[in-house]
Amino acid sequence: RKEVEQDPGPFNVPEGATVAFNCTYSNSASQSFFWYRQDCRKEPKLLMSVYSSGNEDGRFTAQLNRASQYISLLIRDSKLSDSATYLCVVISPGTASKLTFGTGTRLQVTL
Amino acid sequence: EAGVAQSPRYKIIEKRQSVAFWCNPISGHATLYWYQQILGQGPKLLIQFQNNGVVDDSQLPKDRFSAERLKGVDSTLKIQPAKLEDSAVYLCASSLHRGTPRNTIYFGEGSWLTVV
Repeated sequence: RKEVEQDPGPFNVPEGATVAFNCTYSNSASQSFFWYRQDCRKEPKLLMSVYSSGNEDGRFTAQLNRASQYISLLIRDSKLSDSATYLCVVISPGTASKLTFGTGTRLQVTL
Repeated sequence: EAGVAQSPRYKIIEKRQSVAFWCNPISGHATLYWYQQILGQGPKLLIQFQNNGVVDDSQLPKDRFSAERLKGVDSTLKIQPAKLEDSAVYLCASSLHRGTPRNTIYFGEGSWLTVV
């Protein structure tokens, strides 16, 4: 089983739609979780951290479910500019802050 | 503030040739990472430095890949000899220090390698 798994998509949604991605992780002792965004042919950039209680940043909401070992990202009122690949990132204990990336979920927002 | 600098941006080489990539992290960042990202996949950590020491190189194919960070600042990643499956983007990243799980890491634009 991969350490971090994501549905590669693509998710094709119309502008204004709400879309959600899930990411599962295998190590129950994982400590920290993030969502990164990667535009085509660009480097990954931090979108948001994921906190145990869930957190929101504008149209973006991140949730953590430790019991089921998954994190989620919800995007409300999708914009064309949200089209990108969303990478789930996990830090496991004892790995010296090594970030393990999922394969990414590709989102395409259309008119 | 200047970001992570990488060069060259693009490189095409024949298999069995060698190539070297250079990275200059954000000033003051103690931790430096090299990631390999194959098309359609997420970045995979090759090696992580803390200052000039190696913290993790468990996924570095040491028979052909080497990396150094001699003075704890710039770093070089070398591949010799290259194989077709080494075609990927090589991403350098840096962070202020390790040990803080929520410490943000910043990526360079990457060096795109095509092996033919």
